[in-house]
Amino acid sequence: DAMVIQNPRYQVTQFGKPVTLSCSQTLNHNVMYWYQQKSSQAPKLLFHYYDKDFNNEADTPDNFQSRRPNTSFCFLDIRSPGLGDAAMYLCATRRAGGTGELFFGEGSRLTVL
Amino acid sequence: ELKVEQNPLFLSMQEGKNYTIYCNYSTTSDRLYWYRQDPGKSLESLFVLLSNGAVKQEGRLMASLDTKARLSTLHITAAVHDLSATYFCAVDAKRGSTLGRLYFGRGTQLTVWP
Repeated sequence: DAMVIQNPRYQVTQFGKPVTLSCSQTLNHNVMYWYQQKSSQAPKLLFHYYDKDFNNEADTPDNFQSRRPNTSFCFLDIRSPGLGDAAMYLCATRRAGGTGELFFGEGSRLTVL
Repeated sequence: ELKVEQNPLFLSMQEGKNYTIYCNYSTTSDRLYWYRQDPGKSLESLFVLLSNGAVKQEGRLMASLDTKARLSTLHITAAVHDLSATYFCAVDAKRGSTLGRLYFGRGTQLTVWP
């Protein structure tokens, strides 16, 4: 059974047209992460939430925003996608106080035309 | 910012051979993770290493952690084609906490050929 579910799996958008990616989890983990992964590169951390506390990486562009309305859901909003934002976006969760292992969703692959 | 370096970045090896992938990191941490990624897929957890001297084994893969040397190794024994994938190590930036940021190495792209 899928535990971290990302939608959509594939998203095609036009340059500058806003996009929202969603992530839901059934693990009841209190920490959620968004990573950006470009081809043949390491995943790059964009944000993470510990419960409702939001932590932004210093080099995450302002074009990227995130929302976490409840424990189960987290959204990544890209306000004006550029060609350089084409990537796989990975959502991950972890349980505070556990081993620290991250559980990843299948990812959302964004194409910008 | 914590730096995580893996080497080699590309590894082509024949079936049946052994090899080791290295992961060095720049600051103190006692938590290190290994993940596998198949092309176009997400990351799958392989090993969680939580203390100095930790050793974990699963099938043909064995991972170890030396926190004093800030080094982890992923050893491949008698490689088979199914092991072809990209392997990432990731280090928790905050010692003794699960609330820290996880930083990834660039990955080692492994190809096993007959």
